[in-house]
Amino acid sequence: NAGVMQNPRHLVRRRGQEARLRCSPMKGHSHVYWYRQLPEEGLKFMVYLQKENIIDESGMPKERFSAEFPKEGPSILRIQQVVRGDSAAYFCASSPQPWDEAFFGQGTRLTVV
Amino acid sequence: KNEVEQSPQNLTAQEGEFITINCSYSVGISALHWLQQHPGGGIVSLFMLSSGKKKHGRLIATINIQEKHSSLHITASHPRDSAVYICAVRPNTGNQFYFGTGTSLTVIP
Repeated sequence: NAGVMQNPRHLVRRRGQEARLRCSPMKGHSHVYWYRQLPEEGLKFMVYLQKENIIDESGMPKERFSAEFPKEGPSILRIQQVVRGDSAAYFCASSPQPWDEAFFGQGTRLTVV
Repeated sequence: KNEVEQSPQNLTAQEGEFITINCSYSVGISALHWLQQHPGGGIVSLFMLSSGKKKHGRLIATINIQEKHSSLHITASHPRDSAVYICAVRPNTGNQFYFGTGTSLTVIP
């Protein structure tokens, strides 16, 4: 049973480009959470999704950021028109039940140049 | 003000020492997690607690709900324990997790 898989591990984007971060939850997990870790800062909650539904996106910036978790395929965190301040590590976690013990992926380190 | 405070921020220990990392929080919670993050690496969930005490190998986690406090202990510390240890709480209401800023532990051989 593979763990939570995130890809890519490292992503470099120029300002103004789009970044797509993927997260495949553990088998049998239908709850996905995205977190952001800015340099020298702690983790911050962004969004909680269940299959095909956004349950809570209160931690997500209102503009340029979106997330989805389709019926088939991985969860996607999409950042449009990236800016330098978006440079961070983005972690995904999944759990079998809502807010059960969550398992984390290795993260995607986004660098905006 | 951060809902979760950890202490110390940085900790250096000699191999074999007993280590304690503390976490205090200001909201009512339904669960508390201890996470481990290695430099440049991913995050591993060590414990999820809602009461009492849990032990896994050399790691022990305790929580006092009334005092809104949890501790993570490492017995017989080893250089491979060097990592950032993060406390996270799930409040009684809402879907958010609140995270501490982490305790950076270095164990010297």
